[in-house]
Amino acid sequence: SQQGEEDPQALSIQEGENATMNCSYKTSINNLQWYRQNSGRGLVHLILIRSNEREKHSGRLRVTLDTSKKSSSLLITASRAADTASYFCATDTTGTASKLTFGTGTRLQVTL
Amino acid sequence: GAVVSQHPSWVICKSGTSVKIECRSLDFQATTMFWYRQFPKQSLMLMATSNEGSKATYEQGVEKDKFLINHASLTLSTLTVTSAHPEDSSFYICSARVPTDLAKNIQYFGAGTRLSVL
Repeated sequence: SQQGEEDPQALSIQEGENATMNCSYKTSINNLQWYRQNSGRGLVHLILIRSNEREKHSGRLRVTLDTSKKSSSLLITASRAADTASYFCATDTTGTASKLTFGTGTRLQVTL
Repeated sequence: GAVVSQHPSWVICKSGTSVKIECRSLDFQATTMFWYRQFPKQSLMLMATSNEGSKATYEQGVEKDKFLINHASLTLSTLTVTSAHPEDSSFYICSARVPTDLAKNIQYFGAGTRLSVL
């Protein structure tokens, strides 16, 4: 079953602006991951945050996790046209034997 | 880095024929691979977990006889869509985990296969 819900479904911004997308989930997790998918391609892992972490940074990416609210956010700073893609959160849920459950995704469009 | 190769990237077939999709881990061994299906502008739906040397574990609602999975080696899993029909048209993606980093459960994805059944 689809656990993660992401919002917004679509986001259009100009180059240089920041992009924030949110993910909510329903059950206990071991970790939460964010992936990127270019149109018609496979997914690429971006960043992982463990359930006992609250914030993680990687380059222009900043991820937060609030386990009390069962939510996470991904911030992309100083966006570039090359950041145009779909972004998915994925939860590694406790007791699901290595499965990842993917959110509904946010389609990000960065224009020049 | 971990590389997963998926082939073919695009296939068109006639209704009633079978199509085989290959998923290979190029620089690591994968005891477990995953097969997903994705509809346009939607999320990934896990179809099955492929286990090397044993039967695949299918998700609820996925027909085992329709989507045959074989994981005969540590670097290759195949998905065969048998007697394909237009409703099977979709984007199929495989993934695998690096064995030295199983605890994180990070998955590395193939580029996907777009199946169009006429």
